Amino acid sequence: EADIYQTPRYLVIGTGKKITLECSQTMGHDKMYWYQQDPGMELHLIHYSYGVNSTEKGDLSSESTVSRIRTEHFPLTLESARPSHTSQYLCASTLLGRGNEQFFGPGTRLTVL
Amino acid sequence: QKEVEQDPGPLSVPEGAIVSLNCTYSNSAFQYFMWYRQYSRKGPELLMYTYSSGNKEDGRFTAQVDKSSKYISLFIRDSQPSDSATYLCAMSSNSGGYQKVTFGTGTKLQVIP
Repeated sequence: EADIYQTPRYLVIGTGKKITLECSQTMGHDKMYWYQQDPGMELHLIHYSYGVNSTEKGDLSSESTVSRIRTEHFPLTLESARPSHTSQYLCASTLLGRGNEQFFGPGTRLTVL
Repeated sequence: QKEVEQDPGPLSVPEGAIVSLNCTYSNSAFQYFMWYRQYSRKGPELLMYTYSSGNKEDGRFTAQVDKSSKYISLFIRDSQPSDSATYLCAMSSNSGGYQKVTFGTGTKLQVIP
């Protein structure tokens, strides 16, 4: 099993709250990703990072922000949660040059009331 | 039209059956083809990874790629109840420095004892 962790696993929160979803990996991977997954839909990339202090937006427009201050840590923040943010959020990582072999965390199921 | 099309299922088979899971795609630039397995309430895990056309076998699993038809398949022999999961196809092309991976929506498989 991959050494990539996400907390919390489940979060139910009210509209307008600020939340941070945590993602950590112990594999020394350079590249990290955040995906959004909804039932019956493909995974959508919302953010990625090639390394410390490198972050880029993905294909799916998202109101979230990310930071990469340490190699192993890639948190995602929503400043003001809305019901439209309700989704499953998956974090993944891989080595540089091996972008097809991604290791995924268990996901955070977010529900915004 | 989606770049990757995958039948969502659910697909229900008896234990011991041969399972065939399929994806079609429209982007002829795709060169790398992956199959991920996702158990309920878990993140996807990489199952098979192939480059270009041909077959690749790993135990009970065979991945097949036909680039001329833009069609990929995953075969599972002697299916087991533990194979019950959602199977996601994924594919990518090298696009500058960023290797974008496009996922299918997943096929839910249930193997009945």
